[in-house]
Amino acid sequence: GAGVSQSPSNKVTEKGKDVELRCDPISGHTALYWYRQSLGQGLEFLIYFQGNSAPDKSGLPSDRFSAERTGGSVSTLTIQRTQQEDSAVYLCASSRDGEQFFGPGTRLTVL
Amino acid sequence: AQRVTQPEKLLSVFKGAPVELKCNYSYSGSPELFWYVQYSRQRLQLLLRHISRESIKGFTADLNKGETSFHLKKPFAQEEDSAMYYCALRPNTGFQKLVFGTGTRLLVSP
Repeated sequence: GAGVSQSPSNKVTEKGKDVELRCDPISGHTALYWYRQSLGQGLEFLIYFQGNSAPDKSGLPSDRFSAERTGGSVSTLTIQRTQQEDSAVYLCASSRDGEQFFGPGTRLTVL
Repeated sequence: AQRVTQPEKLLSVFKGAPVELKCNYSYSGSPELFWYVQYSRQRLQLLLRHISRESIKGFTADLNKGETSFHLKKPFAQEEDSAMYYCALRPNTGFQKLVFGTGTRLLVSP
């Protein structure tokens, strides 16, 4: 079946604007994760959703970042008032029994 | 706090040479360790996990709890092994998030 999909694949925005990044997980996967991949920084955990439990938001870098998961499926990561340091590749992953399957990522560039 | 350290940003070897990608971790409990790989223009994917004790594409990794290491090894590197490799740790807790290292780029030259 289809893997994890993310949209858009690329997003260029101006400093101060809000952006929304979308993730469609693999059908049936109960867990969904957002990561940020910055040059030289590896993969940084942002947020984790598991079923109907309260999300683990411990990785969100500031209150400008938020995420929601509607109906236990699609997730949206929102970054308000974007800053240049937000430029990175944002990865989404989903899992059911432990192994995480990653999407292709959204490359965000803040000018 | 959990931390994964990959000391090498770039590892360059010739085809047929042995490869060892280093990974050290810090965690007070008993974590689960993984290696993920990202080939050029492809998405990040699981290579192997320590609990499976498998050899994937000729790669093996042994968890050394005494040295808190999980180095990735292959006796004879191939050009198609060129990729970005990430070591990751999952704390043995209720949450399933992974803590990743900064990654090592492996370049295998002919």
